[in-house]
Amino acid sequence: AQRVTQPEKLLSVFKGAPVELKCNYSYSGSPELFWYVQYSRQRLQLLLRHISRESIKGFTADLNKGETSFHLKKPFAQEEDSAMYYCALRNQAGTALIFGKGTTLSVSS
Amino acid sequence: GAVVSQHPSRVICKSGTSVKIECRSLDFQATTMFWYRQFPKQSLMLMATSNEGSKATYEQGVEKDKFLINHASLTLSTLTVTSAHPEDSSFYICSALPGQGNEQFFGPGTRLTVL
Repeated sequence: AQRVTQPEKLLSVFKGAPVELKCNYSYSGSPELFWYVQYSRQRLQLLLRHISRESIKGFTADLNKGETSFHLKKPFAQEEDSAMYYCALRNQAGTALIFGKGTTLSVSS
Repeated sequence: GAVVSQHPSRVICKSGTSVKIECRSLDFQATTMFWYRQFPKQSLMLMATSNEGSKATYEQGVEKDKFLINHASLTLSTLTVTSAHPEDSSFYICSALPGQGNEQFFGPGTRLTVL
């Protein structure tokens, strides 16, 4: 079965500290992995996807097929990074996303 | 970027009534739209996949007679919650997939409260 696991409900860090939001998935094929972010009172928006191998707002995520992980990292957290982060999986283009339960990131000064 | 709107943003209704929620892609044509449900502080659960001009595909456990989905045009999909009950109270979110493109765009969501 396809499943996305985000083990942390809440991650609290201080400004300037490194951040790692964990995501593990289970899928037998080669899925597409995404990170979505939802800022307070805003809609869900795409942060990054594994096929792009890009860095957005200082965040990166590397797909590790051996560990079936797609952890989101940022070396120095900023207060404006505080939001809800969802890891998502899609088994093929055009199909729906399967979301993890989300992790709330709280960055304080 | 592409914009998806939902209407209404918030609705309160009495138990037993039906409520219609609209999802529109404002500046692109969406061959596929998805409907999700989100409980407080929980993840988005896919309810159904809606393809323009054909019947929606419902996820296991979602009652198709209760949650009627119509995707009548390339820019509009509607979700009707029939005979709503308090347990249907939730946040309903749609997303739209352009005909050509890989990224889904999400609506702002509709908060349904059934009294």
